[in-house]
Amino acid sequence: DIEMTQSPSSVSASVGDRVTITCRASQGVSRWIAWYQMKPGKAPRLLIYGASNLQRGVPSRFSGSGSGTDFTLTINSLQPEDFATYYCQQGNSFPRTFGQGTKLEIK
Amino acid sequence: EVQLVESGGGLVKPGGFLRLSCAASGFTFSDYTMNWIRQAPGKGPEWVASISSGGHYFYYAEAVEGRFSITRDDTRKSVSLVMNSLRVEDTGVYHCARDWGDVGARNYFDPWGRGTQVIVS
Repeated sequence: DIEMTQSPSSVSASVGDRVTITCRASQGVSRWIAWYQMKPGKAPRLLIYGASNLQRGVPSRFSGSGSGTDFTLTINSLQPEDFATYYCQQGNSFPRTFGQGTKLEIK
Repeated sequence: EVQLVESGGGLVKPGGFLRLSCAASGFTFSDYTMNWIRQAPGKGPEWVASISSGGHYFYYAEAVEGRFSITRDDTRKSVSLVMNSLRVEDTGVYHCARDWGDVGARNYFDPWGRGTQVIVS
């Protein structure tokens, strides 16, 4: 199975800040990466797919980049509703696997 | 609105049985592979099982192979997960999710349901 490693595991930031989260795959996954936002009691939300494609309805302050084994999710001008946990997922091979998560907390 | 709603979770003893259900609405259910994904406390999500459109192909995570069974009913727009021989490590929130992506490359999950809690203790 492909192991996905995220860093940092948690980050504190303020409204208006820019935050970058990193995801590393244990082997190359081309650009088959998605990013999800999760909040307790809510349905997880797909933000980015194909490493850099913004899902419909997701604000443009979210962006993704990378290919191969190293990927980033960037959130510009943080908004109060962005404080959540973020996960990467590889879609290159079966089984599809997820990172362990990055919790974005309010400073 | 595309929506998935899970039900059937609960508290069960080790070795016990549960049946989870997921009701879909807002899309042509029969066209899509459907999945169950779980999240244990403090851990990342873990894909559990998939069933293809048409219901001919099934895939399971190694951790649940032989104990869990995924089925679908396209007339009722529902997918179920039957869980036997439950273990403490099966505890978590179980989400139903649709395969999503470009045609021929539905390698992601969207949407997800809110999930149903399973506690094995």
